Amino acid sequence: DIQMTQSPSSLSASVGDRVTITCRASQAISNYLAWFQQKPGKAPKSLIYAASSLQSGVPSRFSGSGSGTDFTLTISSLQPEDFATYYCQQYNTYPSTFGPGTKVDIK
Amino acid sequence: QVQLVESGGGVVQPGRSLRLSCAASGFTFSSYDMHWVRQAPGKGLEWVALISFDARNKYYADSVKGRFTIFRDNSENTLSLQMNSLRAEDTAVYYCAKDIGNSGYPDYWGQGSLVTVSS
Repeated sequence: DIQMTQSPSSLSASVGDRVTITCRASQAISNYLAWFQQKPGKAPKSLIYAASSLQSGVPSRFSGSGSGTDFTLTISSLQPEDFATYYCQQYNTYPSTFGPGTKVDIK
Repeated sequence: QVQLVESGGGVVQPGRSLRLSCAASGFTFSSYDMHWVRQAPGKGLEWVALISFDARNKYYADSVKGRFTIFRDNSENTLSLQMNSLRAEDTAVYYCAKDIGNSGYPDYWGQGSLVTVSS
């Protein structure tokens, strides 16, 4: 199975900060990489698919990049509603696998 | 709009069985692959299973293979997960999710159903 890692595991940031989260796959997955946001007690929300395509309705401050094994999620200007946990997922090969998550909280 | 509503969760003893259902609406159910994803209390997301739009293809996580079965009824717009030989480590919120097509990417999620395996 393909293993996904994320860094950092948590970060503290302020409103308006630029935030970057990294996801790495244990083997090449082309661009079959998605990002999700989850708030406590809520279902995950899909943000980005195919490494860099924005899900409909997602603000443009979210962006994704990467290919192969290394990927990034960037929030260009952090907003109060962005404090949450973020997960990456590879869907190049079944079983699909998620990263362990990155918690973004308020500094 | 897309709606996914899970049901069937509850408390079950180890070794017993439980069936989850997911009622879908707001899209042409029979045209999309569907997923189950779970989340143990305080833990991250774990992909569980996928079924293709026509039910011809099914894929499972190693942790549930041979114990769980995913199936669907396209005439009733319903996705199901039959869970047998349940273990304490199966305790989680189970989410059903619609695929964006047949790519492996879940674009819409239900609110989840809690399954607790405990004696």
